Amino acid sequence: GAGVSQTPSNKVTEKGKYVELRCDPISGHTALYWYRQSLGQGPEFLIYFQGTGAADDSGLPNDRFFAVRPEGSVSTLKIQRTERGDSAVYLCASSPEGNTEAFFGQGTRLTVV
Amino acid sequence: GNSVTQMEGPVTLSEEAFLTINCTYTATGYPSLFWYVQYPGEGLQLLLKATKADDKGSNKGFEATYRKETTSFHLEKGSVQVSDSAVYFCALRGSGGYNKLIFGAGTRLAVHP
Repeated sequence: GAGVSQTPSNKVTEKGKYVELRCDPISGHTALYWYRQSLGQGPEFLIYFQGTGAADDSGLPNDRFFAVRPEGSVSTLKIQRTERGDSAVYLCASSPEGNTEAFFGQGTRLTVV
Repeated sequence: GNSVTQMEGPVTLSEEAFLTINCTYTATGYPSLFWYVQYPGEGLQLLLKATKADDKGSNKGFEATYRKETTSFHLEKGSVQVSDSAVYFCALRGSGGYNKLIFGAGTRLAVHP
C-alpha cells in the first residue's frame, strides 16, 4: 500500500566500490525523483524520471552517478567508484504526474569508508 | 538560478509559544512554494503549499503566505506543541513545467514542555 519504499535503509561501503540503491515508488506514479541530502543540508536534486525516461538529469554530480527506471516503476541509482564525499542520505520521491505533490521515501543512508 | 534561503536553527521554544521560521527565495517567473517537515525517524512530508502570489497555505495550525513583493514564504504557528519538534524545509518549484524542488537548508525546531 504504502508509500515510497527505499532499500537498503543503510549501506556502508568501501571507497572505490560500486553501489546500487533501489526505489519502489507508489503504484501508478509516473514521476520519480532522486535527491541527495548531506548532513545539515536540504535535499539536493539529482534526477527526474517521467515514465521510463530521464526527463532531467542535470543534478547528477558527475559520470560516476547513473540511474535507471526500465519499466517505469522501480528505479535504481548506481554509483561507481564511490568516494567518501558521496556519503549522504539518498532520497527518492514519486508523484502521480510531474507537477503534483511529491511523496518521499525514508531514504538510504550511504556511508563510504 | 533558483534558490531558497531559510533561517538557521535550531529554534528552541516553550510549548504554546508563537513560531516564525523565515524563508525567502530567488526565482524567475512564478514558482510554487512549499514547506516540508521531517519528524525524527520519518521521511519528508508536505506540510503546506501555495501556488500563486497572495495564496495562503495552511495545515495542522501552520500557515504561510506567498509574498511576491518580498519574495518570502514565512512559516508561522500561533501555539506550538512538543509534537511539532522536527526539521522544517522551505522549497520551491519553478514555473513553466519545471518539476524539481529546490530546498532550503532546513531549520530544526525543538519545543519543550
